[in-house]
Amino acid sequence: AQTVTQSQPEMSVQEAETVTLSCTYDTSESDYYLFWYKQPPSRQMILVIRQEAYKQQNATENRFSVNFQKAAKSFSLKISDSQLGDAAMYFCAYRSGSSGYALNFGKGTSLLVTP
Amino acid sequence: GAVVSQHPSRVICKSGTSVKIECRSLDFQATTMFWYRQFPKQSLMLMATSNEGSKATYEQGVEKDKFLINHASLTLSTLTVTSAHPEDSSFYICSARPSTEAGNQPQHFGDGTRLSIL
Repeated sequence: AQTVTQSQPEMSVQEAETVTLSCTYDTSESDYYLFWYKQPPSRQMILVIRQEAYKQQNATENRFSVNFQKAAKSFSLKISDSQLGDAAMYFCAYRSGSSGYALNFGKGTSLLVTP
Repeated sequence: GAVVSQHPSRVICKSGTSVKIECRSLDFQATTMFWYRQFPKQSLMLMATSNEGSKATYEQGVEKDKFLINHASLTLSTLTVTSAHPEDSSFYICSARPSTEAGNQPQHFGDGTRLSIL
């Protein structure tokens, strides 16, 4: 079974600064997808960014970008120009490309944004 | 965008009651839906995969007789917590995968149901 590890239970960043959330995963598959989800206090799951394993180029979505290191099985999320609204739980998730579409989540990182 | 409606958003009931939670895809068909459970300050754990027209696939350790899943149509899956007890109190969240989308497309999540058993 694939495991997703987020080693930072909590992170803090000052408004307008940059923060990087780490995620590593363990898999023997070559075809898979990686996601970062944001869960604010409302507990709604919001997709932040996704990455296909076959793509070498790192995904970017406005202020959010990833550093995908396939050989190292690392998938970190960088948030630039942090805003107060970025404060939330962030979950890294893995999905197999060949067996089902269920997501396997990491334990999450709680991001605090200070003024 | 694709919308998943989950109802109810909050349930408080007495121990021994059975509770039904609905997950409905509003503007797309979903052959497959997923049910997750989230304890406070913890991650989402997959409980089961719901397949339209067939039996759900449960994850190891999830009691199928306790958590009944029905996926009778392409837009609706239900999770029934039978004879609920306080230890079943949790946040339950569903997601749906549009049948027509490519495999690399993300799932769409409902807003979750907070279940509290007294």
